[in-house]
Amino acid sequence: DVKVTQSSRYLVKRTGEKVFLECVQDMDHENMFWYRQDPGLGLRLIYFSYDVKMKEKGDIPEGYSVSREKKERFSLILESASTNQTSMYLCASRANTFGAYEQYFGPGTRLTVT
Amino acid sequence: DQQVKQNSPSLSVQEGRISILNCDYTNSMFDYFLWYKKYPAEGPTFLISISSIKDKNEDGRFTVFLNKSAKHLSLHIVPSQPGDSAVYFCAAVLSGTYKYIFGTGTRLKVLA
Repeated sequence: DVKVTQSSRYLVKRTGEKVFLECVQDMDHENMFWYRQDPGLGLRLIYFSYDVKMKEKGDIPEGYSVSREKKERFSLILESASTNQTSMYLCASRANTFGAYEQYFGPGTRLTVT
Repeated sequence: DQQVKQNSPSLSVQEGRISILNCDYTNSMFDYFLWYKKYPAEGPTFLISISSIKDKNEDGRFTVFLNKSAKHLSLHIVPSQPGDSAVYFCAAVLSGTYKYIFGTGTRLKVLA
């Protein structure tokens, strides 16, 4: 079974702090994703990484950066947290195989910025 | 612009009956569709998918139907069980890309 883990389930940070969210997958997947989930908006893509050190901006990258130094680990960084970044953050991974489009999600990190 | 819509935020069904969850999309370029189930305090888990070259895919109690002309897909759960109570998301993707568009979810409650 694919396992995707996220470093924290709940996090409370202050405005202006630098925040690191980490995601680790154990299935040797090439592709990894960071989403945020807000009520009434569905999941929105922040960043995508198709391989080590490779990344693409998603739909809402502003205020975020990412790091992928190892294949199994994908980090999301909030450079200077703001209250509008209070949200549920979900990491996902996917094999880079034609026809295999299912993503495997972590349990999520609920971030509150005060 | 919501390219994937789940117009019913919630649905209640009696145990043993059929649950039908619906999803509409606007972009005819989407060629792969997925359903995910999400329990509280957990991440979404993949349930079933369908390619646009098919109109039906079945996996046990779960069947997904795709109507390309109507740009509509539906998930049927038969028979529904209390453990199926969760939020269900549909998602659409253009094959070969990483851009998944998710619906906002439908909360299914199966009543014992």
